[in-house]
Amino acid sequence: QSVLGQPPSVSGAPGQRVTISCSGSRSNIGNYFVSWYQQFPGRAPKLLIYDNNQRPSGIPDRFSGSKSGTSATLVITGLRTGDEADYYCGAWDNGLTGGPKWLFGGGTKLTVL
Amino acid sequence: QVQLVESGGGLVKPGGSLRLSCETSGFAFSGHYMSWIRQAPGRGLEWISYISGSGDTKYYGESVEGRFTVSRDNTQNSLFLQMNSLRAEDTALYYCARVSDYASGDVFDVWGQGTLVTVAS
Repeated sequence: QSVLGQPPSVSGAPGQRVTISCSGSRSNIGNYFVSWYQQFPGRAPKLLIYDNNQRPSGIPDRFSGSKSGTSATLVITGLRTGDEADYYCGAWDNGLTGGPKWLFGGGTKLTVL
Repeated sequence: QVQLVESGGGLVKPGGSLRLSCETSGFAFSGHYMSWIRQAPGRGLEWISYISGSGDTKYYGESVEGRFTVSRDNTQNSLFLQMNSLRAEDTALYYCARVSDYASGDVFDVWGQGTLVTVAS
């Protein structure tokens, strides 16, 4: 598996709550911490969530993460137009062949209606 | 201020080589694992390499293993990516990223702005 599974797009109205899922397997999410990244068009990605549910300094508590089994979820509450971006999950994969590989999800485009 | 500045990108013919550099400042470079991550135009993120602080441990993505080599010079606070046998599908914006030292799991907490590599005849 070279990519973690994410929905291509999600949408919500300002003020609403949206969730972005990230699906994997025992060889990745099931055994490793998950992180989430936010990327605006033309900009470098930015760390949003680490260790499944921790926020770096400066990230508002409207963003939260969780993990259960081989899946992870990013939740954004109180949606704002400024949250429109691409969101990526990521985790190590211990791989069946060769050394460990880092996997990113395919990315989810968030549209704020 | 923590900074990562990539350079070395450009236009190269298929089969050619290119060496990317990432100059860092504002943190103890030798104490951090580092990675290269790329993004093809209009596509998602793809991790391609990872190197320990000492440079002894290196991992690569399947699509570049055997063609790309990651290295670092801790005396110059710099990270490198030697790319050989380049293919059209290697065309992407290449990011240098720092692996955090505060998370339990590896995470990329600081990213550069990227350097563009275009492989075309």
